Parts: sequence; C-alpha cells; structure tokens
Amino acid sequence: KQEVTQIPAALSVPEGENLVLNCSFTDSAIYNLQWFRQDPGKGLTSLLLIQSSQREQTSGRLNASLDKSSGRSTLYIAASQPGDSATYLCAVTGANNLFFGTGTRLTVIP
Amino acid sequence: DAGVIQSPRHEVTEMGQEVTLRCKPISGHNSLFWYRQTMMRGLELLIYFNNNVPIDDSGMPEDRFSAKMPNASFSTLKIQPSEPRDSAVYFCASSFAQGARDEQFFGPGTRLTVL
Repeated sequence: KQEVTQIPAALSVPEGENLVLNCSFTDSAIYNLQWFRQDPGKGLTSLLLIQSSQREQTSGRLNASLDKSSGRSTLYIAASQPGDSATYLCAVTGANNLFFGTGTRLTVIP
Repeated sequence: DAGVIQSPRHEVTEMGQEVTLRCKPISGHNSLFWYRQTMMRGLELLIYFNNNVPIDDSGMPEDRFSAKMPNASFSTLKIQPSEPRDSAVYFCASSFAQGARDEQFFGPGTRLTVL
C-alpha cells in the first residue's frame, strides 16, 4: 500500500523567508501528485497538480517539483507571508485512490 | 460556481443514532469522493463514484457505512448505527474526470461528533 510521508510535521518561519516542504511516497507508480492547503476548520484547497510525466508546476509564489523515480516532491514557497499559515498536504494518485500525507503545519511569523 | 456544498457543517448525535451527510458536487463534475479525516489516521478515501456509479468502496470501514448517489447533483453518506469512533470530519470532493486521477475540489466538510 502506498505510504505518503511529509517532513517536517510543523514549521515556523519569519515573514519573507523562502521555504521548502517535503513529501515522499513509497510506490512510484503514480498518476499525479497534488498539493493542498487546509486552513483550520476548513476544507482543502488545491494548490498545484503535477502529472506523472511532469517535473514541476508553478503558480505565483508556489513551485512544486516531482521526482517520481525517487518518490519525492517538494513545495517551494517564495517570500512567505502570514497568510500562508496553514497545513499543507500532499496527495498521490494511484489507479483508483488518492493517498494523503499527514501534512506540514506552517506558521509564518509577522 | 458555489463549489462543493456539504450539509450539515456540524452534527452532534448520540451513539446508535442514524447520521446522514449530504453533498452537492460542482455542476458538470462526474466524479464524487467521500473522505474521512481524523487526527490519528489523517485523510482516508471512503468511496468514490463516477457517473453516479460506485467505483471503489474499499475504504468504507464497515457495513454501518453506506453511500448513495441517486443523481449527478447529490450524494449521501449514511452511518447506521453511529458509534463514538465515527467522530471525524467528513469531506466530499468532486472532479471532472474518469476515476481518481484529476484535480479534486473539496467541500468545507461536516464535523461529526458521536457521543
């Protein structure tokens, strides 16, 4: 069974800093990988989706990379802002299922 | 578009009672997913539908759980009888895809507490 791990579990950074969140998965036979953001008490918001044939995707200050062979993905956030504070989850898609990591709780300190 | 709509947002019930959670997917989407989120187990896929047909229900924990999708704009997740260990946040998501392979859009969730 696919296992998805996110490190670190929690991260605090000062405003303006660039940061990287990590996601690793055990089975490289994936269709895509998706990064989500979850605010406390709220649902998940899709940030970026990378197809298995792609290496990276960018949206504004966010850049996600995928190395399928090594089972790794990173989410890079540039010039972090207090509004970026949330839990970030990665999810990998198998044949008929979506496997989530446990998330990284990010706090950006003003 | 209003996004995925779930109701109720919060539900508190007593053990043994029947609970019904509702979901309206984004108009035009043909896949619908039910997830459960707990602190211990994180997010787990319970079941998903494609074109109103259940495709994979292997994540449904027990026979006490059932899900239906009578039409393209409505789905229910029912727990009967409910137990305290069912307490969790239940999310519904939808996508325009065949299967689980494309971008999913999540509803705000239903926080269920079973006393």
